Amino acid sequence: GAVVSQHPSRVICKSGTSVKIECRSLDFQATTMFWYRQFPKQSLMLMATSNEGSKATYEQGVEKDKFLINHASLTLSTLTVTSAHPEDSSFYICSARALLEIQETQYFGPGTRLLVL
Amino acid sequence: QKEVEQNSGPLSVPEGAIASLNCTYSDRGSQSFFWYRQYSGKSPELIMFIYSNGDKEDGRFTAQLNKASQYVSLLIRDSQPSDSATYLCARRGSSASKIIFGSGTRLSIRP
Repeated sequence: GAVVSQHPSRVICKSGTSVKIECRSLDFQATTMFWYRQFPKQSLMLMATSNEGSKATYEQGVEKDKFLINHASLTLSTLTVTSAHPEDSSFYICSARALLEIQETQYFGPGTRLLVL
Repeated sequence: QKEVEQNSGPLSVPEGAIASLNCTYSDRGSQSFFWYRQYSGKSPELIMFIYSNGDKEDGRFTAQLNKASQYVSLLIRDSQPSDSATYLCARRGSSASKIIFGSGTRLSIRP
């Protein structure tokens, strides 16, 4: 399957600071990437769809000015959590669209665990 | 009504038995279906996908799709303790580019 990496895997920051998370497709080009958030014992929540060369599409209730997404190349999308607060502490996971046989599917990165103090 | 519905579990199955995970969906236009496995604290990993009615087998896993009844299932034969995880069912529509996930079923294989 396709390989997606994320960096950093874990980050601890002070309240009010900004945190940038990188998502890379390692062995394929991904015109579309997705950003999810998952709180403990809860299901995946799609935050936004990131399209290379254009603005991201945010899901209802997700603040686009707080969660900045940049998809500047076919292999890299970044999510910046601006002015992070303790309630932003969560597991952030990206995924990338890829072709598997004749089906488009999504492969997930390993996730980034964010803790805001 | 949720787009993809799964029983949250936990589903407890003895080691060596068959684990059966079920999923229903509401959009008849759905074309492709996916099963992901997520271990605690980890991100989901793709197990298999199916888009034609009937069964699709891959090792110990069998996905079953019934579009008329709008359900998709995953069978795990010879269950192992390492199969204990949350299993996410997902669907992709004909025109949407994103995959819609269910909330997952927690499976526990008891030795």
